[in-house]
Amino acid sequence: DAGITQSPRYKITETGRQVTLMCHQTWSHSYMFWYRQDLGHGLRLIYYSAAADITDKGEVPDGYVVSRSKTENFPLTLESATRSQTSVYFCASRGTGGQTEAFFGQGTRLTVV
Amino acid sequence: SQKIEQNSEALNIQEGKTATLTCNYTNYSPAYLQWYRQDPGRGPVFLLLIRENEKEKRKERLKVTFDTTLKQSLFHITASQPADSATYLCALLNNNAGNMLTFGGGTRLMVKP
Repeated sequence: DAGITQSPRYKITETGRQVTLMCHQTWSHSYMFWYRQDLGHGLRLIYYSAAADITDKGEVPDGYVVSRSKTENFPLTLESATRSQTSVYFCASRGTGGQTEAFFGQGTRLTVV
Repeated sequence: SQKIEQNSEALNIQEGKTATLTCNYTNYSPAYLQWYRQDPGRGPVFLLLIRENEKEKRKERLKVTFDTTLKQSLFHITASQPADSATYLCALLNNNAGNMLTFGGGTRLMVKP
């Protein structure tokens, strides 16, 4: 199916465990983004990528790792999950030039216990 | 520091009236300003984009204004309907900051029948 998909939709993990959130887009968009959304903070950018093998930190990168070996995939890894990383995570993509609007996945609700 | 501010309090209006939402920003030189709609449990969905050299943009019942002197955008929904109830987010694309798309905290709109 065309679009941007995230998996899993829901995840519960324990403190200290590593967890990876997946994001896949079918448009071959150059830019991909990871945001977290918390009450009182809105959407905050964690990491973004301008192309395959090019990634950069956003506003709140600590505790997260990303990779982009293929244009269509942009996984987000929490190396050692903490309770403060309990949040809803959104992946987004957009094209270049005049295509500046972002397309979002449906989100992953992550709970760290 | 850079800030994008939206009224965090919910806006309650009567069906048929015009809803006006505000987005103010500081320490940005945005090339574009965008508005998104987010429904509960879903990712944001793009609505409108306005460029720095445009003062107003319309799409059906939606109108966006952009005042780079005041550093403010207004988002209007005319003839509002209960189905317009959602959270509305403004976002800035800053070409001087790695093409990051940064979001405000959003304003929740409730349209009562």
